[in-house]
Amino acid sequence: GESVGLHLPTLSVQEGDNSIINCAYSNSASDYFIWYKQESGKGPQFIIDIRSNMDKRQGQRVTVLLNKTVKHLSLQIAATQPGDSAVYFCAEIGMDSSYKLIFGSGTRLLVRP
Amino acid sequence: GAVVSQHPSRVICKSGTSVKIECRSLDFQATTMFWYRQFPKKSLMLMATSNEGSKATYEQGVEKDKFLINHASLTLSTLTVTSAHPEDSSFYICSATVGRQRPYEQYFGPGTRLTVT
Repeated sequence: GESVGLHLPTLSVQEGDNSIINCAYSNSASDYFIWYKQESGKGPQFIIDIRSNMDKRQGQRVTVLLNKTVKHLSLQIAATQPGDSAVYFCAEIGMDSSYKLIFGSGTRLLVRP
Repeated sequence: GAVVSQHPSRVICKSGTSVKIECRSLDFQATTMFWYRQFPKKSLMLMATSNEGSKATYEQGVEKDKFLINHASLTLSTLTVTSAHPEDSSFYICSATVGRQRPYEQYFGPGTRLTVT
């Protein structure tokens, strides 16, 4: 079946540096992509989303890039802070009317002080 | 806004017993709620989609008789793990959509840690 996957299971960065978390998706027909942050023992928290008709979207300290040609999604976090340490998941919305989220396998971000 | 709660946050039960987990949308009406299961260091796996007033739609491989879902109102969905076994120990998370106007937006609850002894 279709799936969303990540290249790096763990990313360690120095506090203050920029972080880039990558994700590959397989369903070229997906219309909507979301990045979630999950802290230990908590539910996923929405970070930023992007529609397939866009290639870039910026939020506060975060930017999502979408490359539909190679079916690649990335999350950039500027000036990474200790509070950014968490597991990050990309997800895509299935194209049927159920609006089910298909989650990637996740990347753990560790921020070194 | 768009807050989803779950109760309990943690539960320990004995093998063979049943346990109910509640998912509530606190400040909005949720026409659709989703139930996920998450194993340690793994991603979220969708178990079922729950629409208010109708039967839940289960994902392939999820036993509907074991994981009973009831969506009795627009603000409450429950997941009952029946005759629980240690392999049912997991982190269960629900989410809710705000409405048909914004079906892409899912708001997640804080999760329920189930431990079956």
